[in-house]
Amino acid sequence: AQSVTQLGSHVSVSEGALVLLRCNYSSSVPPYLFWYVQYPNQGLQLLLKYTSAATLVKGINGFEAEFKKSETSFHLTKPSAHMSDAAEYFCAVSPTNFGNEKLTFGTGTRLTIIP
Amino acid sequence: GAVVSQHPSRVICKSGTSVKIECRSLDFQATTMFWYRQFPKQSLMLMATSNEGSKATYEQGVEKDKFLINHASLTLSTLTVTSAHPEDSSFYICSAQNSRQVARYTFGSGTRLTVV
Repeated sequence: AQSVTQLGSHVSVSEGALVLLRCNYSSSVPPYLFWYVQYPNQGLQLLLKYTSAATLVKGINGFEAEFKKSETSFHLTKPSAHMSDAAEYFCAVSPTNFGNEKLTFGTGTRLTIIP
Repeated sequence: GAVVSQHPSRVICKSGTSVKIECRSLDFQATTMFWYRQFPKQSLMLMATSNEGSKATYEQGVEKDKFLINHASLTLSTLTVTSAHPEDSSFYICSAQNSRQVARYTFGSGTRLTVV
């Protein structure tokens, strides 16, 4: 069984400020973890993913996330927010055992950037 | 990179009619397709998983006779919403995976279905 909890359904930050979106996971087997971004009426775009290599993962658009097993967390950060970062962000988990690879999504965090 | 084309992007249909949504992997073989439903301002809920040439596996609570999924080839999967009702109005998104590429999911751009 696996699940994802995203703390904060809405996050607002000023342009140029640090972005921190929180994600905690639960998984009975070692997980793969993902962050996706969704713009209105569009599909999901992969920002980054953790696949048991380096615990600090760098993604597109300046985002990065750190896998912390002891805290079961995979928080997403960006040092300086840009207006174009305003979107919905989803954290997701999948198990690593072959044959059961469906993604389970968190409830999402809407990021608003204040000019 | 991997691309999944989903059509149509928007569709409006009358209550009682059926609607087909197509999802095509353009540059890779999609051994597995996932179909999701997303209500406004909510997360993605997995409806079903289909493997090429096999019957789809539906999640609990999803009516298999209402949401028909076909995955007859390695590049095409379809979702047909049969006898659509206004409560079926939603955003539907497909995701394709190649079993040779671990932890790699490519999403379609979604279909906004409105049943009137």
